[in-house]
Order: sequence, then structure tokens, then C-alpha cells
Amino acid sequence: QVTLRESGPALVKPTQTLTLTCTFSGFSLSTSGMCVSWVRQPPGKALEWLALIDSADDKYYLPSLKTRLTISRDTSKNQVVLRMTNVDPVDTATYYCVRTYWDTRQEFDFWGQGSLVTISS
Amino acid sequence: QSALTQPASVSGSPGQSITVSCTGTSSDVGGYNLVSWYQQHPGKAPKFIIYEVSKRPSGVSDRFSGSKSGNTASLTISGLQAEDEADYYCCSYAGNSIRLFGGGTKVTVL
Repeated sequence: QVTLRESGPALVKPTQTLTLTCTFSGFSLSTSGMCVSWVRQPPGKALEWLALIDSADDKYYLPSLKTRLTISRDTSKNQVVLRMTNVDPVDTATYYCVRTYWDTRQEFDFWGQGSLVTISS
Repeated sequence: QSALTQPASVSGSPGQSITVSCTGTSSDVGGYNLVSWYQQHPGKAPKFIIYEVSKRPSGVSDRFSGSKSGNTASLTISGLQAEDEADYYCCSYAGNSIRLFGGGTKVTVL
């Protein structure tokens, strides 16, 4: 069964770098068509897709945040890491790790429970 | 790229049908048959309910259906039930592996 779990700090100071880790099971990111994305949701607001990494280790980012984001993977550990530099209070949100199986076009079919990150001094 | 446009709220009585719209552009919704929908109850992670405009994942009620016309996709919930009260989000592929979400719609069962 597919599961994803986010982990990382609950509180980060402005201008610092946020690092979040997604640990997943039930699938391999080496399988053709598999992708993992990060999606965030500020309190009371809408979902926002941030970044995606696929089975070929290709990486894609929301253009407006591209300069601040880095997504990477450790296939042997079944982990995907998101780094966001120079955080601001507007980056306060629940961050979700999400799977896509592109071969069947099943977009965001499995979600982690989310990790609430507050940006505050 | 801008977020897709959804109505802030839609309501209906139990047993009725409601439709949630999701409007984009020819660069996203209109350009690809890759619109998906998610249901989110308060305090929970979103749940995947529709993909490729109108396909339902295994286990999702057939009361949920999707369609698209031009730059607007729609989610219809038929036979509205109390448990359908939730926020609903659309998402579209927007080329170059970019994804765009809608602003979300709160569905209220009267």
C-alpha cells in the first residue's frame, strides 16, 4: 500500500532555509512514470503546486518560486527532499508530499498527511 | 501562470445535483485533457476523486463525475449527501510539467 510521510521543522525563522523530507513506501521512484511533488496550503487558503521530481530525475518547479526551490531524491532511501531558501512569513503553510503515476495520468493520487510549517521570528 | 478560477462556494440540498466549475485558459485546462479534482474535509489531506477530466479512481463513488468544455472543466456531484460537504479543488496540467490548482470551492449541503 502506498504511503507518504512528511517530516521537517515546525518553526523556521525568516530568511532561513526550510528543508522538508518525504519518506514514502509502496512504490519506487525508479519505476517509469512515477513522480513525487510538493504541494502547499497556507492556513485557510488554496492548494499550490511547488515542485516535481520524476523517475528520470528530472525536476520541475513553479516558475514564480523556481529560484528558491530545490527538489532532490534518494532512491535508495525512498525519500524526496524539498529545500526552500530565504523563507518569509507568507511561506507559512501545510506542506504535502504527493505521488503522481504519470503513465496512467493519475495525478496526485496519494497524499501525505501534511507538515505544518510556521515562518516566524 | 495564474491559478484556475473556481466559485468560492456552491450549495445544494440532500439528493440534489450540484456543479463546480473550474476556468482556465487554452494553455492549461483548454489545452490538455489533464484536469483532476480533489475533495478536502477540514483538517484532512485532499483526496483524489477525478483524473483526466472524467475518469474516476477505483473506490470513488459514481456520484462524482467530471467534464470539460473549452477552457472550463466541471465537477458534478449527484445525489448530494451530507458527507459531500467539503472543499473541492481542480488541478490542470499547464505544459512543461507545470501544474496549476484552482482557488477551491466550499460545497455546503443545506
